Amino acid sequence: KNEVEQSPQNLTAQEGEFITINCSYSVGISALHWLQQHPGGGIVSLFMLSSGKKKHGRLIATINIQEKHSSLHITASHPRDSAVYICAPPVGYNNDMRFGAGTRLTVKP
Amino acid sequence: GAGVSQSPRYKVAKRGQDVALRCDPISGHVSLFWYQQALGQGPEFLTYFQNEAQLDKSGLPSDRFFAERPEGSVSTLKIQRTQQEDSAVYLCASSLGRTAVQDQPQHFGDGTRLSIL
Repeated sequence: KNEVEQSPQNLTAQEGEFITINCSYSVGISALHWLQQHPGGGIVSLFMLSSGKKKHGRLIATINIQEKHSSLHITASHPRDSAVYICAPPVGYNNDMRFGAGTRLTVKP
Repeated sequence: GAGVSQSPRYKVAKRGQDVALRCDPISGHVSLFWYQQALGQGPEFLTYFQNEAQLDKSGLPSDRFFAERPEGSVSTLKIQRTQQEDSAVYLCASSLGRTAVQDQPQHFGDGTRLSIL
């Protein structure tokens, strides 16, 4: 079983739709990162959360530490949201991250 | 700039050549990570520095991979006698934290795309 599992792997949506990406993980202790990776490789950290919910603009992330599950929501999706979204719990003393395979989101106009 | 800078952005090398990839972390960031991302997959941890000390190199795939951060700032990842399976994007990330605190955000560079012919 993979340490970090994301669903769906691929997601195509129409502009304006509400998006949900799920992440279940079996490693790490108390926090999780959500990252956005655009074509060409650049990674941007969207959220780091250890409990409850965080909101930034149209992005909302929730986490349940006990169940080791997190969700990323995008409201009023836009084509510029098209990217790969990766969840990554930090593990171990060094806090190096274990990465999910990512969810490839395509938002069509 | 204020972010993590990696160079070169792209590197093409022939099998058997040595390559060196550079990472300039955010000024003042103590922790530095190297990750390898194969095509279509998520990044995988290679090695970790706290200042100039390489505290974890458990992710380095072979002894052909070597990383250093001699002055606790710029880091270089060197791959000797490159093989085709080394082709990947190599990502560098830095974070401010000094201690094992899991809520420290990591800031990523744009990566170096390495292609071995």
